[in-house]
Order: sequence, then structure tokens, then C-alpha cells
Amino acid sequence: QVQLVQSGAEVKKPGASVKVSCKASGYTFNNYYMHWVRQAPGQGLEWLGIIDPSGGTTSYAQKFQGRVTMTRDMSTSTVYMQLSSLTSEDTAVYYCARSPGYFDLWGRGTLVTVSS
Amino acid sequence: EIVMTQSPATLSVSPGERATLSCRASQSVSSDLAWYQQKPGQAPRLLIYGASTRATGIPARFIGSGSGTEFILTISSLQSEDFAVYYCQQYRNWPLYTFGQGTKLEIK
Repeated sequence: QVQLVQSGAEVKKPGASVKVSCKASGYTFNNYYMHWVRQAPGQGLEWLGIIDPSGGTTSYAQKFQGRVTMTRDMSTSTVYMQLSSLTSEDTAVYYCARSPGYFDLWGRGTLVTVSS
Repeated sequence: EIVMTQSPATLSVSPGERATLSCRASQSVSSDLAWYQQKPGQAPRLLIYGASTRATGIPARFIGSGSGTEFILTISSLQSEDFAVYYCQQYRNWPLYTFGQGTKLEIK
């Protein structure tokens, strides 16, 4: 079955970091770029960045430069998104999405709550 | 960065009627335009790519049109399950694939 399975919800304190995983199955992992998108409560979709699973090359939205790191593990077909120096503004659902251009397959999302 | 602007923000339509949603790009994206549907508590779902190609399993009542900077998503004969939020996205400007702010389609 073609799917992206994300890790579970996280609660973090301000200033902490979070690492969210996204495990791909049912297709050739390194054939598609993977993007990360987030959605704050009641808000729209915001692009964080992209990783090329085949070479590990990344590109991040300027807004998150220096705070976000995307990595991959070829052995488990998993991509990771780590966001550091969290504030309440980072409370959101974080999605991974497979991309042959458009986003044709999405994970279910991981809720990250930042609260003291 | 290519800015995507959707209108209206909210659209109220009765079941069985037609809905027309608009999306405008700040510069040409050719036909590299996708539409997504999102229901509460769910991830977005791909409806249309290439401005007019329906994704697998998407009913024929969803029709995408346009190119360049102006795009339309038409949903003919609205069903109850179609009331949701719709986003357009350009994937012309690699890798910054920007989204519109969304149109909420609600029952009139």
C-alpha cells in the first residue's frame, strides 16, 4: 500500500526542538522528492522545505533557514524534519508530502504543540 | 516568490448547484497548478494537477481550467461531501511551491 506514515503528536516547551518522522512505503523511496508543509490552527498551508531522498539535498523556506533540518534514512525509507528554538507560533500540524511536482501523497500529519 | 491569491475566501452554495473557485498567480505558472481539498481533521487531498487533469479517483464533477496566471476550479452539482476548504498551489517555481490562502466552500 502506497502511504506515508508520520510519527505521533508531540508537546514541547518553548526553546526546545522537535523531530518528526515520515516513513514511506509501497513505492520507490528515492524516486520522489519529499516536502514538509505545516498548518497552524485555523490557518492555511505553509511550505517549510524539501528533501531529495536519493542524494539528501535539501532546500528550506527562507523563514525557517537556520531552524529547520531535513534528513533521510535510506535503509528505512524515512525522512525527518527537525525544527529548533520552538515558540508558540510553531504550534501546528506538520505534514510530509510526496512530490512528482504537485503533492500527490500526504501523510496524516503530526500535531506539534508548543506550550510552557 | 510567486504569490497565489484565491477568491472568494468563503463561498456559500446550495447542494446540487455549481461552485466556481478562482485562483490567481502573481506571475505565470504555465499549467503547473494543482488544486487540493481539505476536510476538517484531514490532510489535503490532490484533486487536480496540470491545471486540468483530475487525480486518480476524483469524480468528473471536479473541473479545472486556466493557464498562465488565472485558474478556475468548477464543481458541478455539489454533493454534501464536497463542502470543504480548497487550496490552489503552483509548482512552477521549484522548490518553493506556494499555496493560495484557501476558499471555504460552505452549505447555503
